Amino acid sequence: ETAVFQTPNYHVTQVGNEVSFNCKQTLGHDTMYWYKQDSKKLLKIMFSYNNKQLIVNETVPRRFSPQSSDKAHLNLRIKSVEPEDSAVYLCASSLYWGGAYEQYFGPGTRLTVL
Amino acid sequence: QQQVRQSPQSLTVWEGETAILNCSYEDSTFDYFPWYWQFPRESPALLIAIRPVSNKKEDGRFTIFFNKREKKLSLHITDSQPGDSATYFCAAFPPSGYNKLTFGKGTVLLVSP
Repeated sequence: ETAVFQTPNYHVTQVGNEVSFNCKQTLGHDTMYWYKQDSKKLLKIMFSYNNKQLIVNETVPRRFSPQSSDKAHLNLRIKSVEPEDSAVYLCASSLYWGGAYEQYFGPGTRLTVL
Repeated sequence: QQQVRQSPQSLTVWEGETAILNCSYEDSTFDYFPWYWQFPRESPALLIAIRPVSNKKEDGRFTIFFNKREKKLSLHITDSQPGDSATYFCAAFPPSGYNKLTFGKGTVLLVSP
């Protein structure tokens, strides 16, 4: 099956803890993204990677750090989570960088910070 | 500064009616406008998209009307079905070189049977 896969589906944690989310795409795409979708459904780009290189780093707190081992994998680590980090984190991929290519989204990881 | 605006925030129509979702943008350099839809408990998916070289794009019951001069576009859904109930996001993409898709806040559409 070719798609964008994310783990875990849900994660509940307490303020100050560290969390990690994983994303894998089997579509053969070059470019991957992390988005944050808040409780009001607002979608905001966080990071863009092209062929495992960080290309776009939007203004996000420094406790967020992405990592890519190859163009099919993109992870997100959050050190010392805060209550405002509660959201759905969506991973997406597109065929190439630098053009208007369709983005394919994974199912998301829902983070709840208590 | 919100670069892509959508209205209304929510919309309810009866089955069979035409739903009209509006979108406007700030940056005249945007050159690709996709609409994504998102069903409850699912992730967004591309529905239809348009480039400014066209003022209309049709795909079945879904049509985008584009007005470059006014920097506005709208999504028309004819013969609305309950299965069309979802959140619709208008997005905008700059010319190649900066791969950032900017999303509006979305319109929640409910189609009542």
